[in-house]
Amino acid sequence: QVQLVQSGAEVKKPGASVKVSCKASGYTFRNYGFTWVRQAPGQGLQWLGWISVYYGNSKYADQFQGRVSMTTDTSTNTAYMELRNLRSDDTAIYYCARSGYSSTWYEMGFDFWGQGTLVTVSS
Amino acid sequence: SYDLTQPPSVSVSPRQTATITCSGDNLGRKFVYWYQQKPGQSPVMVIWQDSRRPSGIPDRFSGSNSGNTATLTIIGTQPTDEADYYCQAWDTTVVFGGGTKLTVL
Repeated sequence: QVQLVQSGAEVKKPGASVKVSCKASGYTFRNYGFTWVRQAPGQGLQWLGWISVYYGNSKYADQFQGRVSMTTDTSTNTAYMELRNLRSDDTAIYYCARSGYSSTWYEMGFDFWGQGTLVTVSS
Repeated sequence: SYDLTQPPSVSVSPRQTATITCSGDNLGRKFVYWYQQKPGQSPVMVIWQDSRRPSGIPDRFSGSNSGNTATLTIIGTQPTDEADYYCQAWDTTVVFGGGTKLTVL
């Protein structure tokens, strides 16, 4: 069965970086992509970006351009999301979710989600 | 930027029909997705491409999309359906609605 297992909770100081991992199993890793979504405490869902495992290209939400990087490692079936120059309002649960890999990657929706990684930014 | 508007809350009695709306400019021309999120859990996709149900999702969940409004309908709502529901669409970026808290009482 498809599983996405994320790394554990992180506590970071303002200005630092965080890198969250998402290890996939139960399907052919290269045939999909990953979307990253976050949820601030008591708030709704916010999209950060997407990466194609197959092609290696990515698309980031405008508000995170320059601060976020998404990568994948096909040798370990793991996706990564790094967010730099953290601020207190980056405190949130960060989710990875499986999505498509091609130019219409968004059309399949986000069918499997990781369990979430709580990132706390505090001085 | 493109906005999706959902009612903050909807209440329904058990075994009745719950309707959650999602509004956006010409939304009917886009695919809409619905996610269910229970407290402390990750979101789960319950409807994709307007009306398609993923494997394992009960058939009491259905979706439609026309004009400026997409609708998630739950027929015969169960207490276990109590959750937050988010609509989502694509408009050069992924857009989520603000979420609707469904209360079953």
